[in-house]
Amino acid sequence: EADIYQTPRYLVIGTGKKITLECSQTMGHDKMYWYQQDPGMELHLIHYSYGVNSTEKGDLSSESTVSRIRTEHFPLTLESARPSHTSQYLCASRRSGDAGNEQFFGPGTRLTVL
Amino acid sequence: QQQVKQSPQSLIVQKGGIPIINCAYENTAFDYFPWYQQFPGKGPALLIAIRPDVSEKKEGRFTISFNKSAKQFSLHIMDSQPGDSATYFCAARIGNNDMRFGAGTRLTVKP
Repeated sequence: EADIYQTPRYLVIGTGKKITLECSQTMGHDKMYWYQQDPGMELHLIHYSYGVNSTEKGDLSSESTVSRIRTEHFPLTLESARPSHTSQYLCASRRSGDAGNEQFFGPGTRLTVL
Repeated sequence: QQQVKQSPQSLIVQKGGIPIINCAYENTAFDYFPWYQQFPGKGPALLIAIRPDVSEKKEGRFTISFNKSAKQFSLHIMDSQPGDSATYFCAARIGNNDMRFGAGTRLTVKP
């Protein structure tokens, strides 16, 4: 079982609120990722990090921001949530190196913005 | 532009049937092809993976068939069970680069 954790699992908030979705892994992985997954299932990469102090935007434009101050921690922040941000957010991590290094996913945070 | 195209979007089979999910790719530099399984309320989990130097890999009831010349790979589930009902994603990666996922297939296995 993957040692990657996300909190909260479910969040319902009002428009305009600032929120932070937490993601932590205890596997010492250098690469971490955030995906947005709508009910239509497709995984959209919104942010990634290759290590401490490294963050990049993914393929899907997102108004969220991320930080990587510690190897094990990769939080995602929305400064002002809107209904269009309603989605499932999945965090993932893997060790860089061989292509076969498995990518592990957290259980996800289901965000609903009213 | 999606680099890995997955079909069908949804699939319904009877218990004991053999669902087949197909993926196609364009970039011949991809060298790692995993399949992920996702149950409702959970994150995707690695199910089985293959490298392009083999044409088939089997793990339990799950088999990947790989056709390098056609740039296609598929997942077969033998003797499918209702517990196999989930969303399945194919993916591809080049070396140490990031994973490219297919759009997913929602599989329902009816009792």
